[in-house]
Amino acid sequence: QKEVEQDPGPLSVPEGAIVSLNCTYSNSAFQYFMWYRQYSRKGPELLMYTYSSGNKEDGRFTAQVDKSSKYISLFIRDSQPSDSATYLCAMDSSYKLIFGSGTRLLVRP
Amino acid sequence: NAGVTQTPKFRILKIGQSMTLQCAQDMNHNYMYWYRQDPGMGLKLIYYSVGAGITDKGEVPNGYNVSRSTTEYFPLRLELAAPSQTSVYFCASSYSGTGGVNEQFFGPGTRLTVL
Repeated sequence: QKEVEQDPGPLSVPEGAIVSLNCTYSNSAFQYFMWYRQYSRKGPELLMYTYSSGNKEDGRFTAQVDKSSKYISLFIRDSQPSDSATYLCAMDSSYKLIFGSGTRLLVRP
Repeated sequence: NAGVTQTPKFRILKIGQSMTLQCAQDMNHNYMYWYRQDPGMGLKLIYYSVGAGITDKGEVPNGYNVSRSTTEYFPLRLELAAPSQTSVYFCASSYSGTGGVNEQFFGPGTRLTVL
């Protein structure tokens, strides 16, 4: 079993839709839960992160962590074509990050 | 600040050739990393370094070597290139003090094809 599992998609939604991206993990020692966004042919960039359980909101983006279920989510409200990218979840493990395989999102105008 | 820079952007190698992928950062980060990204496979850690003179293997180190003589530079060496090393290579850096999130900053990547 992989430490971090993520549905690769692709996920295609119309502009304005609410998007839900998810990851599951197996290591209960993870404390920081991150979402990176990667545009085509670019390096990943940190979008937001959450420490331990709970929610965090940043504009149209909300990150949720449920440690009891080992499940994290990223919600995007009022999705825009500019949100089209691959979204990778990542979790800390000592000096390293463990990445999910990424979900490719396409927001259609 | 340029952030994390990588050269070259693209490279085609023949089987058995060697090359060095260059990575530099100007943020005075102590941690640096090399990843490879294959289609649909996410990022796999090849090697990492927690400071000058200190390196360690990641998940997929075979066929690669690294060195870190200064804080700024972290080159990745491929010896005897094989088609299985065709991938996009990303270098990243982060600052890790006492606790806190390990936010990694990535370079633009090097696309390598081995034929």
